[in-house]
Amino acid sequence: GAVVSQHPSRVICKSGTSVKIECRSLDFQATTMFWYRQFPKKSLMLMATSNEGSKATYEQGVEKDKFLINHASLTLSTLTVTSAHPEDSSFYICSARDHSAPSSYNEQFFGPGTRLTVL
Amino acid sequence: GENVEQHPSTLSVQEGDSAVIKCTYSDSASNYFPWYKQELGKGPQLIIDIRSNVGEKKDQRIAVTLNKTAKHFSLHITETQPEDSAVYFCAGLNPVASGAGSYQLTFGKGTKLSVIP
Repeated sequence: GAVVSQHPSRVICKSGTSVKIECRSLDFQATTMFWYRQFPKKSLMLMATSNEGSKATYEQGVEKDKFLINHASLTLSTLTVTSAHPEDSSFYICSARDHSAPSSYNEQFFGPGTRLTVL
Repeated sequence: GENVEQHPSTLSVQEGDSAVIKCTYSDSASNYFPWYKQELGKGPQLIIDIRSNVGEKKDQRIAVTLNKTAKHFSLHITETQPEDSAVYFCAGLNPVASGAGSYQLTFGKGTKLSVIP
């Protein structure tokens, strides 16, 4: 089946620094990738939709200058948390849609997540 | 936009019993309803899904039913095992107003299932 990887799986950084998280589709091409944030014991909240070769679409309330998304290829999207603060600590999860899937079938494959801790 | 409600938030069952988790959705345009299992510290894993053109789908011990008229769908797990313990999320796929042909998943709040040996 389709596999999505994320790197790193865990990262600890100091307040004020930037952190980049990579999301890769390993065995399929993904024109669309999604970035979610999940707080402990809570559901997944969509942050942004990333389309290859174009600007990401951010959900209401998500700061685009703070959460920079780049989707430079059909297999890679990156999320950069800039000037991180403790309140940015969370579990970040990406998902990808299979490019070859019919548009009405939008099955998404999720990565294993990245645990970010900002000290 | 879409609103997905999920119940119960926690569920404890004895090993071997059945577990049922229910979700309702608001957007009649939603046409795809996946269920995900998330173990602690891991990403969600798709366990079963159903499209709006069918009413029921089964995969071994797991089944999903969909009632489009009532806008609700349910996950059924039979003969539960301790390894079924996890958080389960339902979701609905709905079109995004901002983009032609774009869709996004809206998740329920999750159900923590505990299977007691």
